[in-house]
Formats: sequence, structure tokens, C-alpha cells
Amino acid sequence: EDQVTQSPEALRLQEGESSSLNCSYTVSGLRGLFWYRQDPGKGPEFLFTLYSAGEEKEKERLKATLTKKESFLHITAPKPEDSATYLCAVPHGSSNTGKLIFGQGTTLQVKP
Amino acid sequence: NAGVMQNPRHLVRRRGQEARLRCSPMKGHSHVYWYRQLPEEGLKFMVYLQKENIIDESGMPKERFSAEFPKEGPSILRIQQVVRGDSAAYFCASSPSLWDTQYFGPGTRLTVL
Repeated sequence: EDQVTQSPEALRLQEGESSSLNCSYTVSGLRGLFWYRQDPGKGPEFLFTLYSAGEEKEKERLKATLTKKESFLHITAPKPEDSATYLCAVPHGSSNTGKLIFGQGTTLQVKP
Repeated sequence: NAGVMQNPRHLVRRRGQEARLRCSPMKGHSHVYWYRQLPEEGLKFMVYLQKENIIDESGMPKERFSAEFPKEGPSILRIQQVVRGDSAAYFCASSPSLWDTQYFGPGTRLTVL
């Protein structure tokens, strides 16, 4: 069964304290892994798409990496404005429709 | 390029009423997905549509829920005879092609009294 598991569920960091969020996935035939950021009361905001193991992408303080079993979202020297819930998702493996399976998310709080 | 638009942003209905949620995809996007986020739960797929066609509705409850994406106009998610358990945030996403990145709208928050 296709599955996405994120850890930790919640993470509290001090401003400037770097850390990583994990996304483990089980899917038949990966067709991309997507990272989103969601602020309270808003829709998910696209961050990164990764397609193959070894791929890395960066944007400001965020860097996403991908292996055959998991993806990491590294946050370097976070700021309070990085506080949000981070979601990862993969397309359902056995369907041909691109529907996404989401993890439960990691809620990040960065304190000044 | 305007993003995905959804309206209304907030919708309050009494039990037994109908709810209509609208989604206008990004310009040039012909693939539309609807997802639901129940309180304290993750995002769950509901339905995938292309213009005038429902491609995959495997995540839609069998009764009371329907969706359409007409040739002209927005995609509509319709919930008939709403119940309290339908209270949730409903998100629409669009993409330019299959397997491409899905971009999400701001959501419609449905409250059933």
C-alpha cells in the first residue's frame, strides 16, 4: 500500500538552529516527490519537486534531497517566518491519475 | 499569472442544505484536483477532472458529493444535504499536465451548523 510518513510531527527550533525534516515513502514507481509549505488558514504553497534519487534542490534557507526511500527538507539558520507546516506528497503509485498522497506534515515553530 | 482561485473562502450551511464550491485553475492548466482536509487530519484526494471529464473519483464519498469541470467556467464541487461531518477545508489544485506540479488554491472552509 502506498504510504507517506513524516517525522517529527512537531519541531521547535530557536532562530538560527538548523535541522531536518524527514519524509519516508512507500510507493510503486515514484513519479516525483513534492514538498509544500502550509500556513494556518491557507492553501499549500509549492516548494520543490524531486524526481530521482540523488537529486537536490535549494531555495533560500531550504534544501530538499531525495533517496530511494525518503526525502529530507533541511532548514539552515531558520527564521521565525519559516514557522509553518511542511507537507510532502507523492503521486499514487498504481493509479494513472496523478492524485497525491500526503503525509501528516511537520509543524515547525521557530522562536526568535 | 493569477494563481488558483477558489470561492467562497468561507461557507456556512445548516444541515440538509447544499454547498457549492468553485475553483478556477491557473491559466493554461487543464487538470483539476480536489482535496479535503478534515480537522486534525491530512489532505485527502477526492476527485480528478479534466475539461468535461471526471477521470478519477475514487476519493469521493459515494453519496451526496459530485464534481464537474465544464467546457466554460470553473470546476464545481457540490455537496448535497450537508452533515456536520462535512465540515472541513476543501482545496482545489491545478496542473498543466499529468505528473506535473499541482498548485493549490486558498481553500474553502465549510462549516455545517
